Amino acid sequence: QARLVQSGAEVKKPGASVKVSCKASGFTFTSYDINWVRQATGQGLEWMGWMNPNSGKTGYAQKFQGRVTMTADTSINTAYLEVSNLRSEDTAVFYCARAGSGFHTGYSDSWGQGTRVIVSS
Amino acid sequence: SYVLTQPPSVSVAPGKTARITCGGDDIGSESVHWYQHKAGQAPVLVIHYDSDRPSGIPERFSGSNSGNTATLVISRVEAGDEADYYCQVWHSGSDHVVFGGGSKLTVL
Repeated sequence: QARLVQSGAEVKKPGASVKVSCKASGFTFTSYDINWVRQATGQGLEWMGWMNPNSGKTGYAQKFQGRVTMTADTSINTAYLEVSNLRSEDTAVFYCARAGSGFHTGYSDSWGQGTRVIVSS
Repeated sequence: SYVLTQPPSVSVAPGKTARITCGGDDIGSESVHWYQHKAGQAPVLVIHYDSDRPSGIPERFSGSNSGNTATLVISRVEAGDEADYYCQVWHSGSDHVVFGGGSKLTVL
């Protein structure tokens, strides 16, 4: 079955960048969009954007445009989320999730375990 | 931007029925998906395309969507159903995925 395994927790200083990885297995990685979702401390789920590992095409939530980059390495079935210029409000758990229908326009049917990122001076 | 409105909390006694609503402008014309999210775990898809249950999700979970309100219904609620529940749509106008604010289900 589909499985997404994310990289471990990170602690970063304000202004720094973080890159979270999401390794896929159990399905054809290039056939599904990958969504990225975050949950800031005490907040709900928030969609950050999507990427297609085959084409490299991306779409970012307006809130994160200019500060987020989503990429993939199809040779190792891994998606990446990079967030730059971190601020304390970015302290959150970040999730990757497979678009179940193949397209980001639908639902997410398989999620990574989450990566906690703490931004603190 | 498209906004989905959920009640912050819903409480129900074990064995009873919980109804969690998700309000949005003409949401009935959108496809609504629902997730269960327990603390420290990854979200789990419980309903997709308004009312379809993924494999492995109990029949106690059902959904509907009409007009300006989508509803997740959990029948014969169990203690293990206690979690946050989120509705989600894809808004074509903005090409954005949108989540509701989430509803905390408490089993009394």
